[in-house]
Amino acid sequence: ETGVTQSPTHLIKTRGQQVTLRCSSQSGHNTVSWYQQALGQGPQFIFQYYREEENGRGNFPPRFSGLQFPNYSSELNVNALELDDSALYLCASSLPVGRDTQYFGPGTRLTVL
Amino acid sequence: GESVGLHLPTLSVQEGDNSIINCAYSNSASDYFIWYKQESGKGPQFIIDIRSNMDKRQGQRVTVLLNKTVKHLSLQIAATQPGDSAVYFCAERNYGQNFVFGPGTRLSVLP
Repeated sequence: ETGVTQSPTHLIKTRGQQVTLRCSSQSGHNTVSWYQQALGQGPQFIFQYYREEENGRGNFPPRFSGLQFPNYSSELNVNALELDDSALYLCASSLPVGRDTQYFGPGTRLTVL
Repeated sequence: GESVGLHLPTLSVQEGDNSIINCAYSNSASDYFIWYKQESGKGPQFIIDIRSNMDKRQGQRVTVLLNKTVKHLSLQIAATQPGDSAVYFCAERNYGQNFVFGPGTRLSVLP
C-alpha cells in the first residue's frame, strides 16, 4: 500500500458529461501527477501539480483540467466526455525534484458510454 | 478486476527460474528510470529505480541494469514466484519533465 487513495473506484458517464476524480497523496508528498491508462497500454502523463500550481502538462486538450488543494490532495476534471476518454485514471504522488519517485494510487476506472 | 494489457508481449517462466524483462527507452537525455509492477485491478507498484549515473542497482530479488549506450534497461527477477505474475512497465524521466512509460510486458509464472 502506497498511502495514495483515489475516488471513486469506478464511474460510468455518458458522452458530453463532465467528471471529477479525486486523489489524496501520500503523507508528506506535495507533488501530484495524473496519468491516463488505456486498456493494453502504459500510463500517459496528463499533468502534474506542485504547491497548487500546474507544473507540467502532457499532450491532452484543455478539457482536461486539475486542481491541487493546500493539503496536497488533487482533482482531475474532464469536460465534454468522449468515448475515447474511457480509461483507468491514475494519480501518483511524490516529493519534489530530487526525491521524486512516484507512488501510484489504485486508479479510477472511467467508462464513457 | 479489470484486465491490464490484453495484447502485451508476454514472458513465461517456470517458478523458481530467473526472469529478465527488457525495455528500450527513447530519450538519451533521460536521467532517472523506474520499474513498476501492475497487477490486475491495481495501480502500478514501485519495484526499483536507477539514476543515469549508475549502470546497476540491486534490490531484494530484483536487479536493474542500465545500458545508456544502446538506451536499454532490464529488470532481472531472481527465483521467480507465482506472486510475480503481473504486467511490468519501465518509465523514463528527462530531468524536470514527466515520466514516459513503455508499453509493458506481461510476466506469467508457470507452476
